[in-house]
Amino acid sequence: AQKVTQAQTEISVVEKEDVTLDCVYETRDTTYYLFWYKQPPSGELVFLIRRNSFDEQNEISGRYSWNFQKSTSSFNFTITASQVVDSAVYFCALSEPISNFGNEKLTFGTGTRLTIIP
Amino acid sequence: NAGVTQTPKFRVLKTGQSMTLLCAQDMNHEYMYWYRQDPGMGLRLIHYSVGEGTTAKGEVPDGYNVSRLKKQNFLLGLESAAPSQTSVYFCASSPRTSGGGWTGELFFGEGSRLTVL
Repeated sequence: AQKVTQAQTEISVVEKEDVTLDCVYETRDTTYYLFWYKQPPSGELVFLIRRNSFDEQNEISGRYSWNFQKSTSSFNFTITASQVVDSAVYFCALSEPISNFGNEKLTFGTGTRLTIIP
Repeated sequence: NAGVTQTPKFRVLKTGQSMTLLCAQDMNHEYMYWYRQDPGMGLRLIHYSVGEGTTAKGEVPDGYNVSRLKKQNFLLGLESAAPSQTSVYFCASSPRTSGGGWTGELFFGEGSRLTVL
């Protein structure tokens, strides 16, 4: 069965510090996708990134970076020079096929609540 | 640009009452989903649809029914509400790629907070 573990329930850091959110996953599929979503206080979930299981290159987008390591089944998310606007709940998710259409569903982790202290 | 709109945003029900949550998307997406979010449990898939006229069960379907009579709408019904259905409900939609596949990017509504007393 698919499983996504986000062991860090809550993290608080002072503004401008770097912070890493951990994500460990379990799957028997050889092809899958990993995702990070952000849920700000407004409540709406926002897509941040999708990573293919065949692509282990790290990705950087501004202050955000992602480290995918297949050997440890981890897909960690780092925010550099954190800002108050980064305060949110962050969810890691793993795809799995659910129908003959090839459609896939997302299995979400339980989320990490990140608080940036001004 | 509305995106994914859920109504109502808040609702309080008594045990045994019924209600319907409406999800509407204006992005012409093929795939639509209903998730529930509970503290410490992340988001769990209730039902989903791969296209107009189709629905299927997700991870936690018991006590819910859905319909997708029109491509842009996905309705979630509770026939006899129970306190265990107190939750925040999220609708999401996702496009099919030009190659017929799935991008994996879900577009979420703002959520509907349901309390069952």
